[in-house]
Amino acid sequence: QKEVEQNSGPLSVPEGAIASLNCTYSDRGSQSFFWYRQYSGKSPELIMFIYSNGDKEDGRFTAQLNKASQYVSLLIRDSQPSDSATYLCAPRRFRGGADGLTFGKGTHLIIQP
Amino acid sequence: SQTIHQWPATLVQPVGSPLSLECTVEGTSNPNLYWYRQAAGRGLQLLFYSVGIGQISSEVPQNLSASRPQDRQFILSSKKLLLSDSGFYLCAWSTGGSYNEQFFGPGTRLTVL
Repeated sequence: QKEVEQNSGPLSVPEGAIASLNCTYSDRGSQSFFWYRQYSGKSPELIMFIYSNGDKEDGRFTAQLNKASQYVSLLIRDSQPSDSATYLCAPRRFRGGADGLTFGKGTHLIIQP
Repeated sequence: SQTIHQWPATLVQPVGSPLSLECTVEGTSNPNLYWYRQAAGRGLQLLFYSVGIGQISSEVPQNLSASRPQDRQFILSSKKLLLSDSGFYLCAWSTGGSYNEQFFGPGTRLTVL
């Protein structure tokens, strides 16, 4: 089982609709979860993070966490063409003294005008 | 505000040649520093992690090494590059706080021929 699994896509969503991005993880010890956006050829930029079960909202973005199901999601409301990018899910984990992030391969999101 | 720099932005090197990539952070003290690699078709892989000057943790065995000669400087090196070393190298920093959000530099795209 992969540590972090995301549907690679592409996920195509019409402009103005809600984009739903999903992520499952295998390490039950993961405490916090990060979502990054990566435009083609660029470095990842942090969108938001979540550490408690439930929903966390930040502008048009909502992160959802269900630790029992080992599931994290990111909802993007009122999707814009500028939201077209690859979205990376990254649980925080501690291993061998290192405090780092384990990244999924990402979901490629396309917002259709 | 904090700023992270990486250079060079792109690099083409022959197999067997040495490598030195540099990362510096401004606007913060005693950051945690990270080197990640993103190879084609693969997710971000944590290579090295540092909590302070001279303190380096290696995540995976490889022909790369890292050093932290100053508080806000992180260097990735190799004595002899392999074809498999090609990829997008990303430096990241974090405060190491409760949630340890990581912020990425612009990256170095390395092609080994």
